[in-house]
Amino acid sequence: TQLLEQSPQFLSIQEGENLTVYCNSSSVFSSLQWYRQEPGEGPVLLVTVVTGGEVKKLKRLTFQFGDARKDSSLHITAAQTGDTGLYLCAGANAGGTSYGKLTFGQGTILTVHP
Amino acid sequence: NAGVTQTPKFQVLKTGQSMTLQCAQDMNHNSMYWYRQDPGMGLRLIYYSASEGTTDKGEVPNGYNVSRLNKREFSLRLESAAPSQTSVYFCASSVVQGQGAQPQHFGDGTRLSIL
Repeated sequence: TQLLEQSPQFLSIQEGENLTVYCNSSSVFSSLQWYRQEPGEGPVLLVTVVTGGEVKKLKRLTFQFGDARKDSSLHITAAQTGDTGLYLCAGANAGGTSYGKLTFGQGTILTVHP
Repeated sequence: NAGVTQTPKFQVLKTGQSMTLQCAQDMNHNSMYWYRQDPGMGLRLIYYSASEGTTDKGEVPNGYNVSRLNKREFSLRLESAAPSQTSVYFCASSVVQGQGAQPQHFGDGTRLSIL
């Protein structure tokens, strides 16, 4: 069973601060996805990283996939109250027939205070 | 532009009762999934269907059954509900091409409480 450890579990910061969320595993993933979930809704995809060492930017969000494809990070610059939500990382199984199955981390609840 | 639709949105059951959670997608996706979400545990896969006519167990299948009725619909059944099955249930769908994992599109969830 592949596991993804996400940290921290909770993050409470002031508007304008920077933050980083980490997603780590001892297993190799073929790709890694980051989702954001708001209360009462399902997760929505933010980004997919595929290549080891890949960095993707989405406005103030920067996503990185580790060189060995075992870990990933999400960095938010100058957080805004609208960034508040649950952030989930999800790894796609490497090798074999995956059928698109994902392994999810436990999630990081981010609260940005005005 | 419905995407993935789940019904019902809320449900309260008594221990031992049965019910079926419905899910339908209109994106012509071949794969569909059922997850449960509990505090501090992320999303755990209950069952999935790689394509119409096939279903397989996920990480936490005990106490559940599924039916892939057609390409659009994937239902989850609790035969005899237990308090441990109190959770938020999400259905998702995706296109699967080769061995790559495509984005999963989620419904808004069914909040299920079992007393």
